[in-house]
Amino acid sequence: EPEVTQTPSHQVTQMGQEVILRCVPISNHLYFYWYRQILGQKVEFLVSFYNNEISEKSEIFDDQFSVERPDGSNFTLKIRSTKLEDSAMYFCASSGPVGVSYEQYFGPGTRLTVT
Amino acid sequence: AQTVTQSQPEMSVQEAETVTLSCTYDTSESDYYLFWYKQPPSRQMILVIRQEAYKQQNATENRFSVNFQKAAKSFSLKISDSQLGDAAMYFCAYLNAGGTSYGKLTFGQGTILTVHP
Repeated sequence: EPEVTQTPSHQVTQMGQEVILRCVPISNHLYFYWYRQILGQKVEFLVSFYNNEISEKSEIFDDQFSVERPDGSNFTLKIRSTKLEDSAMYFCASSGPVGVSYEQYFGPGTRLTVT
Repeated sequence: AQTVTQSQPEMSVQEAETVTLSCTYDTSESDYYLFWYKQPPSRQMILVIRQEAYKQQNATENRFSVNFQKAAKSFSLKISDSQLGDAAMYFCAYLNAGGTSYGKLTFGQGTILTVHP
């Protein structure tokens, strides 16, 4: 069964450093998302991406964040200068292939620890 | 803005018994979807069941079923014949299916389900 994959599973970085979280969505999906979950809290939407551009972003997704689909398979989330409060689990999800199919399939997540 | 509320931070059930997890939501939209996701200790988010708002019939997936009350904006999950593997955090989620929707899922706070042998 096709699945969303994410790398790395755990990333430790120092405050102020740039990190790139990588995702490979399900191959025939067209819509891609990033969510985050601070430990013990609910899952929060960050951004949705379709047709090589951002469709919607939350207030969390400020200028420190960016997303990119550099090739036909990867979808990345970059945090330019990490802060302690960026420590969280980051989930990539995808849906599709035609329209917004409304079922989003999540990857296993990347645990980001900022020290 | 849409909100999703899960009023039960924790629930427990005996193996083989039935448990119901509650969820309410607030929206002014008429076209939307509701979901239950399961998050085991691995923290992977697993889709359990979905409900289209335009459907009156409650969704069912094996031992999982929902009670969707559109007028009351209530969407509860019933797990029958509970198994030890059902132990997890369960999240209720809302998705606006209207013209301005870009797939943003809004999640509730989650309910931790413990299954006792």
